[in-house]
Amino acid sequence: QVQLQQWGAGLLKPSETLSLTCAVYGGSFSGYYWSWIRQPPGKGLEWIGEINYRGSTNYNPSLKSRVTISVGTSKNHFSLSLSSVTAADTAVYYCARSKADSFDPWGQGTLVTASS
Amino acid sequence: SSELTQDPAVSVALGQTVRITCQGDSLRNYYASWYQLKPGQAPVLVLYGKNNRPSGIPDRFSGSSSGNTASLTITGAQAEDEADYYCHSRDSSGNRLFGGGTKLTVL
Repeated sequence: QVQLQQWGAGLLKPSETLSLTCAVYGGSFSGYYWSWIRQPPGKGLEWIGEINYRGSTNYNPSLKSRVTISVGTSKNHFSLSLSSVTAADTAVYYCARSKADSFDPWGQGTLVTASS
Repeated sequence: SSELTQDPAVSVALGQTVRITCQGDSLRNYYASWYQLKPGQAPVLVLYGKNNRPSGIPDRFSGSSSGNTASLTITGAQAEDEADYYCHSRDSSGNRLFGGGTKLTVL
């Protein structure tokens, strides 16, 4: 059964770059896309973007200018980089396996706070 | 429209049936999937495709779609079903998007 484990810095200052990594265990990394999704406090879910094992990406147009999603060298990790963070980027960030019409499973979530 | 619209809040009496809806033009072309969010827990996929439940999801959860509206129905709601529910689909450009979420209260 596929499990996702994620980690990264939880506290950033405005203008810094957010960096999170997600590891995939117990299943195939190839053959799927892998997504990042976030939920600001008290707000809804927002899809950030996705990548496949070959490094092909799709990004949310509203975040595209600041987002980079990459595949790790071990090929069972993928990472999120979000530049120039502001307080509006404060959220719980999730990684998830993307399928054509759904996300399953999800990582445990990481709270990232951007505050001076 | 590239949005998915959900009612912010819905309530249901214990053991009764509740329908949570998701409206959007893209639903005429794409299936919706549905996610259950509880505080402090990872989101859980409860429905996808035409009306498919992942392993472990009770059969009281079912889905349907008509025109621009997708629905999640819980038949015989239980106390543990109290949660936020989000629909997901794609916009006209194929970008993934979520509805605004529905807070379900089980009375």
